[in-house]
Amino acid sequence: RKEVEQDPGPFNVPEGATVAFNCTYSNSASQSFFWYRQDCRKEPKLLMSVYSSGNEDGRFTAQLNRASQYISLLIRDSKLSDSATYLCVVNVEGGTASKLTFGTGTRLQVTL
Amino acid sequence: DAGVIQSPRHEVTEMGQEVTLRCKPISGHDYLFWYRQTMMRGLELLIYFNNNVPIDDSGMPEDRFSAKMPNASFSTLKIQPSEPRDSAVYFCASGSSSIYYEQFFGPGTRLTVL
Repeated sequence: RKEVEQDPGPFNVPEGATVAFNCTYSNSASQSFFWYRQDCRKEPKLLMSVYSSGNEDGRFTAQLNRASQYISLLIRDSKLSDSATYLCVVNVEGGTASKLTFGTGTRLQVTL
Repeated sequence: DAGVIQSPRHEVTEMGQEVTLRCKPISGHDYLFWYRQTMMRGLELLIYFNNNVPIDDSGMPEDRFSAKMPNASFSTLKIQPSEPRDSAVYFCASGSSSIYYEQFFGPGTRLTVL
């Protein structure tokens, strides 16, 4: 079983739609959780951290369910510029700036 | 402020040749990571350094791969001899213990081994 699993998609949604991505992780000792975004042929960049209580950043909402070992990302009012691959990321070891495990990503395509 | 710098951006080589990828991390960062990304396997951590010391190289696929960090501003990833299955995008990332968890990625080196 992969340490971090995501539905690869693609998710094709019209502009303005709400879309949700899910991710599961296998190690119950995992400490911290993130979503990174990767545009086509570019490097990954941090989108947002995921906190136990859930957190929101503009149109983006991230949630964590430790009991089910499940992370989600909700995007409201999708924009064309949201088209990208979204990587679910888990830090197992704790500490700062240490080892991250990346999911293979979920591709989102927002259309007119 | 310059981000992570990688060179070359593209490399095409023939099987059996030595390949050296280079990385300059963001000044002041004390962590450096090398990743490989393919369609099939996604983004895989190969090795990471803290204060120029290798901490975890369990992701290095085999002895053909080696990485060094002679100083805080430079790292290399070497493949010798290269094989077609090494074709991938290789990313270098850096991070700081004072910036909780965020890793900053370079633009990557796209390697093709014929």
